[in-house]
Amino acid sequence: DQQVKQNSPSLSVQEGRISILNCDYTNSMFDYFLWYKKYPAEGPTFLISISSIKDKNEDGRFTVFLNKSAKHLSLHIVPSQPGDSAVYFCAASATTQGGSEKLVFGKGTKLTVNP
Amino acid sequence: EPEVTQTPSHQVTQMGQEVILRCVPISNHLYFYWYRQILGQKVEFLVSFYNNEISEKSEIFDDQFSVERPDGSNFTLKIRSTKLEDSAMYFCASSEALRGSGYGYTFGSGTRLTVV
Repeated sequence: DQQVKQNSPSLSVQEGRISILNCDYTNSMFDYFLWYKKYPAEGPTFLISISSIKDKNEDGRFTVFLNKSAKHLSLHIVPSQPGDSAVYFCAASATTQGGSEKLVFGKGTKLTVNP
Repeated sequence: EPEVTQTPSHQVTQMGQEVILRCVPISNHLYFYWYRQILGQKVEFLVSFYNNEISEKSEIFDDQFSVERPDGSNFTLKIRSTKLEDSAMYFCASSEALRGSGYGYTFGSGTRLTVV
């Protein structure tokens, strides 16, 4: 059951260039999307989110774009830095029947930024 | 910056034994979660907890699992009679509010559970 898909397991970019990480989803009930960054032996760290009522959200070097009709979102990192090297997870959220929230994660994309 | 703290960082247990994974969420957070990641697989939702009760659980979270907030600060996940397939990284998370806050969850560093 792959409701959230990150089709690129890895991505390598040069320092200073743009990194674009992609994510697709299938469930129309998702209405909130998040990107997390994870280093080895650490928990996921929240990066940026976007509500389905928006198509873009920006926070410093990080911008998330949402295309609802295509059920696609992307994370842009500009300029990329070596410290950005990590695994990036896309996650989608929908309110549960119990009024709570659960995140459905993609498999992650390992980003390597080369100096 | 406030953190979610998980202990132990690594737990090795024999199949059939009970384990308790411990978490201290951020103090003013109201919503608590457990997720797990089997090696090489996705991070998966297990359970959410609010107002001292389970608000949602996944199909993974069967009678073998239970959660508790025994003292208002700790949040525990108990796995009774562990199986080999329970080996995974278990992440605790907490949030101040439901989504829309813009801050997402705060995750702990995880407990690596190895069942032998």
